[in-house]
Formats: sequence, structure tokens, C-alpha cells
Amino acid sequence: ETVLTQSPGTLSLSPGERGTLSCRASQSVSNNYLAWYQQKSGQAPRLLIYGASSRATGIPDRFSGSGSGTDFTLTISRLEPEDFAVYYCQQYGNSPLTFGGGTKVEIK
Amino acid sequence: EVQLLESGGGLVQPGGSLRLSCAASGFTFSNYAMAWVRQAPGKGLEWVSSIDGSGGSSYYADSVKGRFTTSRDSSKNTLYLQMNSLRAEDTALYYCAKAHMLVYFDYWGQGALVTVSS
Repeated sequence: ETVLTQSPGTLSLSPGERGTLSCRASQSVSNNYLAWYQQKSGQAPRLLIYGASSRATGIPDRFSGSGSGTDFTLTISRLEPEDFAVYYCQQYGNSPLTFGGGTKVEIK
Repeated sequence: EVQLLESGGGLVQPGGSLRLSCAASGFTFSNYAMAWVRQAPGKGLEWVSSIDGSGGSSYYADSVKGRFTTSRDSSKNTLYLQMNSLRAEDTALYYCAKAHMLVYFDYWGQGALVTVSS
């Protein structure tokens, strides 16, 4: 199975700063089929990005995804107070579907 | 507005069975694949199962294959997860999700908690 490793485990930033989250795959993700989700405390995950770089419906443009092959990045251009949460990547190019372990973005 | 509402969670002994339901609304249920994703307490997300819009094809993680069965009833707009031979490691919050082409999850319910313990 394709193992996704997210780094860092925790990212401490201030509102207005730029956040860069990494997701590295143990093997190439077919067709760059990678998604990103945001999960706030006590809530269900929310889809942010699919296809490595396409924003889901209603997602602000401060969220952007990039990457290909085995290395993918989620960038939050300017952190808003509501962006402090845990972020997960998920690949769907290889079977079985797998998620990364998550990156927590916390207020510095 | 898409809404997904899980029910049926609870406490069950190891080796026991439980059936989760997920009532869907706000979209044409039979046109879309659905999925179950779980989250153990304090842990990350794990895909459990996906089923196509017709219910004719379903897919499972190795960790649940042969023990869990996903089905759907389009007349009731409801997704099901039948869980048998439950183990302590199945303890988790189980999310129902609308699945784009079976493979990524664009809408999620709030989850149903399953606790497997004696």
C-alpha cells in the first residue's frame, strides 16, 4: 500500500503567516490523485483540494495545492483564525485508498 | 444542501455485531458512490469501504474484509455498514461520506461512535 508521510507533525504559526504542509508518498501516486482535508476539533473532515491542485467547492483561494509523483504540498497563503486545525492528505491513485497521519496547525 | 446523518453506534463486546446507518439527503442518492471512513480516538483517518451508486460493487480495506459489509437502499436514501466479529481495534468514530467516483470524499456526516469492549 502507498504510505503517506506528512510533515511537520505540528506547525506553530501566527495569523497572517504563510503555512506550508508536506505530504510524501512511499511510491508515485498515479495521475497525481491526491486530496487534502481540514478537520477542526470535534468536527468532521472537510474536503479542500482534489487532484493535487483543484480547490473544492467553496474553498477560499488562500488554500492551494501543488506537487506530483511522490511529493505534494498544501499552502495556506495567509492564515486566518479559522484555519487552525489538523490537515490530512489522502491518495486515491493507488489501491487501497490511504491517508497521511496529519499535520496540526496551531496558533503560535 | 447535502446532509448525511449516521446512527446505530454504541458499545459492543468483542466478537459481536453492529449495523450503522447513514441517512442521506440533498442529492440524488442513487447517482453517487458512498463510503465509510473511520477515526480511532485521537488518531488519524482510515478508509473502510466504498460502494458504487447502484450498490453492485463494493470495496473494503484489508483490515475489515470478510467481517464488514457495505450496502445501500436507494428507496430509503440510506447507506449501511454491517460489522461482524468486532475487535477492540475497530473502536472508532465511523463517518459516512459521499464519495466522488468511489475515491475521495466531498461531503461527510458527523460520525457514529463504535466502542468494542468487554
